[in-house]
Amino acid sequence: QLHLQESGPGLVKPSETLSLTCTVSGGSMSGGNYYWGWIRQSPGKVLEWIGSIDYHGITDYNPSLKSRVTISVDTSKKQFSLKMTSVTAADTAVYYCARDTKLAAIIYGGLTYFEHWGQGTLIIVSS
Amino acid sequence: EIVLTQSPATLSLSPGERATLSCRASQTVRSYLAWYQQKPGQAPRLLIYDAFNRATGIPARFTGSGSGTDFTLTISSLEPEDFALYYCQQRANWPLTFGGGTKVEIK
Repeated sequence: QLHLQESGPGLVKPSETLSLTCTVSGGSMSGGNYYWGWIRQSPGKVLEWIGSIDYHGITDYNPSLKSRVTISVDTSKKQFSLKMTSVTAADTAVYYCARDTKLAAIIYGGLTYFEHWGQGTLIIVSS
Repeated sequence: EIVLTQSPATLSLSPGERATLSCRASQTVRSYLAWYQQKPGQAPRLLIYDAFNRATGIPARFTGSGSGTDFTLTISSLEPEDFALYYCQQRANWPLTFGGGTKVEIK
């Protein structure tokens, strides 16, 4: 059973960098050409895709966040990470890590849905 | 960016009733649309992918339909565990986007 678990600071000060890690267990990161994504949900329940990475390290980012976001992967540790710079109160949200589904036919690898999700971690941006 | 508009925002129904949720795209997404269910304190759960295919373990009372810009999720007979938030998501083009959600609440 695939399990994803987010870890992070909980509270980040405005203008600082948010760093989150997702640890994967119960499955391989290297096989199957899966896409690993970060999605956030605002306090108003709006879902926003942040970006995705495959096990080669190829990334896709939401243009609205691209200038501030970096996603990386370490398959040896079975982890992938999110860094977001210059955070503001608008970045306060529950952050989810997720793995895509292979149920759907491939158009382009990163254009996908997410079938396996972590439980989410609440990040509050406040001084 | 493809904007997904869900309606209604809230649907108040009783157990056993039929629920019909709508998702409209600002431009065609062909059949590349999914539906998720989210319960309080939980992550979204994939229900339907590519407009009408049920994901693994999803009961037959959940049916997806539509193509192009107009999509529907139908729950044929609401069970107590179906009262939740529902989101649509498109994968036709970058960036991946989600609708604003429909809350199905107990009347």
